[in-house]
Amino acid sequence: NAGVTQTPKFRVLKTGQSMTLLCAQDMNHEYMYWYRQDPGMGLRLIHYSVGEGTTAKGEVPDGYNVSRLKKQNFLLGLESAAPSQTSVYFCASRQSGRGADTEAFFGQGTRLTVV
Amino acid sequence: GEDVEQSLFLSVREGDSSVINCTYTDSSSTYLYWYKQEPGAGLQLLTYIFSNMDMKQDQRLTVLLNKKDKHLSLRIADTQTGDSAIYFCAESKMKGGSYIPTFGRGTSLIVHP
Repeated sequence: NAGVTQTPKFRVLKTGQSMTLLCAQDMNHEYMYWYRQDPGMGLRLIHYSVGEGTTAKGEVPDGYNVSRLKKQNFLLGLESAAPSQTSVYFCASRQSGRGADTEAFFGQGTRLTVV
Repeated sequence: GEDVEQSLFLSVREGDSSVINCTYTDSSSTYLYWYKQEPGAGLQLLTYIFSNMDMKQDQRLTVLLNKKDKHLSLRIADTQTGDSAIYFCAESKMKGGSYIPTFGRGTSLIVHP
């Protein structure tokens, strides 16, 4: 029972490089989210998706792009990495439901360092 | 101001009770959550409370909700060293027609012998 799986778990990038983080969930959840976690800042929402083929901006979307071509996958892309994007990235998913009546399930995180 | 506010650190002695406080902003939040993050791990749901409840108890955990003041607290009885973690308060904030889990900065709970 995998739940939410993030790949890779660790990555070091040089400034200006690009990469894609993959989030996969096997719970048939409609909603998926990408957060970044920085010390003392909690989790800040980057982008989210309310269903296959849809994406929307969160609180800190600049420098990131996302795609949700398949319901089970939510990809987070960095086109040109910057040191300010050094962070731990978490993906989450949850079932759709009226209001907020469903638990969000989290992946284990991707630790990204941009040098 | 921030949507969800909580203090950053709490230190308690093993066996004592811990109380972590949180204030939130969205009065329409249906559910309010407490998540726990152990070192190097993702977030796990610890407990939640419906907005029409004042209190919820689950073994050593007690959640109190004051909807009028938008204040949420988590009490951990008989705190153990294994409870050392970061605890996040979260509300589901309406955005663009859907509810988005919105987190506080997290409270680092340190339990010492």
